[in-house]
Amino acid sequence: NAGVTQTPKFRILKIGQSMTLQCAQDMNHNYMYWYRQDPGMGLKLIYYSVGAGITDKGEVPNGYNVSRSTTEDFPLRLELAAPSQTSVYFCASSYQEGGHQPQHFGDGTRLSIL
Amino acid sequence: GNSVTQMEGPVTLSEEAFLTINCTYTATGYPSLFWYVQYPGEGLQLLLKATKADDKGSNKGFEATYRKETTSFHLEKGSVQVSDSAVYFCARSGGTSYGKLTFGQGTILTVHP
Repeated sequence: NAGVTQTPKFRILKIGQSMTLQCAQDMNHNYMYWYRQDPGMGLKLIYYSVGAGITDKGEVPNGYNVSRSTTEDFPLRLELAAPSQTSVYFCASSYQEGGHQPQHFGDGTRLSIL
Repeated sequence: GNSVTQMEGPVTLSEEAFLTINCTYTATGYPSLFWYVQYPGEGLQLLLKATKADDKGSNKGFEATYRKETTSFHLEKGSVQVSDSAVYFCARSGGTSYGKLTFGQGTILTVHP
């Protein structure tokens, strides 16, 4: 049972570089989410998707982009990395709408922008 | 908007002590409530949940009751172990579609032998 898989686990970027954080789930979940976790803070929603081809902004979308071409994959793109984007990024997925089903999380990507 | 407030941390206890971590939520809509646990270097794992008022979620000796009258979902455990050391997050769903969660800021629990 792989669940939600995130790659890479760690990455250091220089200011202005771009990269894509990968997320894949094998549970056939329609709903997928990207969060960032800053020290001493809870998780903030960046983007979410309710199915292939459908994405929408969360609380903190600026500086990020997403796509959802398949049910399994939900990559997060940073186009021009900034120090404020240093954080731990978590991808999650869930099965059902209505907010009553739990989300399943990946192990995170720890990203530093220097 | 939706919000979740957790008690300030960190919390430090001795093994076998009683644990309470307070959580309150805004009462908009009909949310489900969740407790997630995060062990060092890992992602969040669902610990327990409750989907309506007066429901009690329980798992691994942890319990929390959905209290609509006090808008609370406090986490309790009668006897903590060193292995319970982790960060605990309270969360509420949006009460609408898309399953979006609002998280509290997290409470760091350290249990000493």
